[in-house]
Amino acid sequence: AQSVTQLGSHVSVSEGALVLLRCNYSSSVPPYLFWYVQYPNQGLQLLLKYTTGATLVKGINGFEAEFKKSETSFHLTKPSAHMSDAAEYFCAVSVGGGTSYGKLTFGQGTILTVHP
Amino acid sequence: DAGVTQSPTHLIKTRGQQVTLRCSPISGHKSVSWYQQVLGQGPQFIFQYYEKEERGRGNFPDRFSARQFPNYSSELNVNALLLGDSALYLCASTLMRDQETQYFGPGTRLLVL
Repeated sequence: AQSVTQLGSHVSVSEGALVLLRCNYSSSVPPYLFWYVQYPNQGLQLLLKYTTGATLVKGINGFEAEFKKSETSFHLTKPSAHMSDAAEYFCAVSVGGGTSYGKLTFGQGTILTVHP
Repeated sequence: DAGVTQSPTHLIKTRGQQVTLRCSPISGHKSVSWYQQVLGQGPQFIFQYYEKEERGRGNFPDRFSARQFPNYSSELNVNALLLGDSALYLCASTLMRDQETQYFGPGTRLLVL
């Protein structure tokens, strides 16, 4: 079975600072990996995804993530935080097939706070 | 194009009652998944339906059931509600040719008193 661990339930940065949100996964087969963002009282918006190919993935709003198989990690970064980035971020893994068909397994989430 | 829509947006029920939540996928999407998000946690997978058949099921009791209609919309039913069923229920749709990318609706917030 697959699992996701997000290190740090809360991350606080200053506006303009680097954003780093950590995600480690566990999967017995090659995973598909996702980052979603959730603003208060809203659903989930896809930021980026890794399926196959290039390990550095670029997403919306200036975010990117790098798939590191040897470290089983998929950390999310943004060079310069903006106030509008304040939200909760979820890392998720999917392996598909069998009883896991269509199943995304999510981490616990990381709340990002951006200070002026 | 319209995204995934869900109704109602909010719902209050009492213990023991039954509830039905509705979801319409993005036009052209044939698969719908349901997730439960309890406050302070990540979403938990409940079901996936494709072409009106259940294709995936999470670790939820039989009180939870769902179905998909010919127009690919879906309903999630929960019977004998418990306080612990209070959560945000999210629906996601998938374009089968890109089946790993799920697009989420705004959710239905259910409060059980």
